Amino acid sequence: GEQVEQLPSILRVQEGSSASINCTYENSASNYFPWYKQEPGENPKLIIDIRSNMERKQTQGLIVLLDKKAKRFSLHITDTQPGDSAMYFCAASANSGTYQRFGTGTKLQVVP
Amino acid sequence: NAGVIQTPRHKVTGKGQEATLWCEPISGHSAVFWYRQTIVQGLEFLTYFRNQAPIDDSGMPKERFSAQMPNQSHSTLKIQSTQPQDSAVYLCASSPGTGGTEVFFGKGTRLTVV
Repeated sequence: GEQVEQLPSILRVQEGSSASINCTYENSASNYFPWYKQEPGENPKLIIDIRSNMERKQTQGLIVLLDKKAKRFSLHITDTQPGDSAMYFCAASANSGTYQRFGTGTKLQVVP
Repeated sequence: NAGVIQTPRHKVTGKGQEATLWCEPISGHSAVFWYRQTIVQGLEFLTYFRNQAPIDDSGMPKERFSAQMPNQSHSTLKIQSTQPQDSAVYLCASSPGTGGTEVFFGKGTRLTVV
């Protein structure tokens, strides 16, 4: 009961439009929800995160929403650019000294 | 700060051979994680250490995989009798703590078993 589900697995959007990725988690003790971006041949890097004391966080064209009741969180990329094309992973963890559980990833393709 | 360093970056082994992967975490980080990345499974947790002590190895295939952290500056992941299904990118990561903090990944070791 600790899976993190992530959808869609592939997302193709027009440059300038928005992209949304959704994740759900099962462990009600989860209170930290990071998002990582992985470019081809590179390691995953944190782009934004949210803790359970917040419902929304925004930074540099990225918005994350958290619905604790539904155990759902999402990443929204506004005004997508070709440089946003990459793999995106959501994750969830608890403060109680556990590891981060990752979703299976979303391959985002931003086309001109 | 060179980040998390993993060696080798690529490794090709024959079926049945042993493979040892190395990781040097970021200095001062107390937690070290190993993940396996495949297209189908995504980022799959294998094991982690905190202050060099093994904490959770629930993701490790028990029979052929083992991990150690003999000192604070490096960890190894050993796969015995490698099989084609072990082919993947193995990512090491470290963080200042566990749970609610960012993890910093190395660039990974791409293991190919032929």
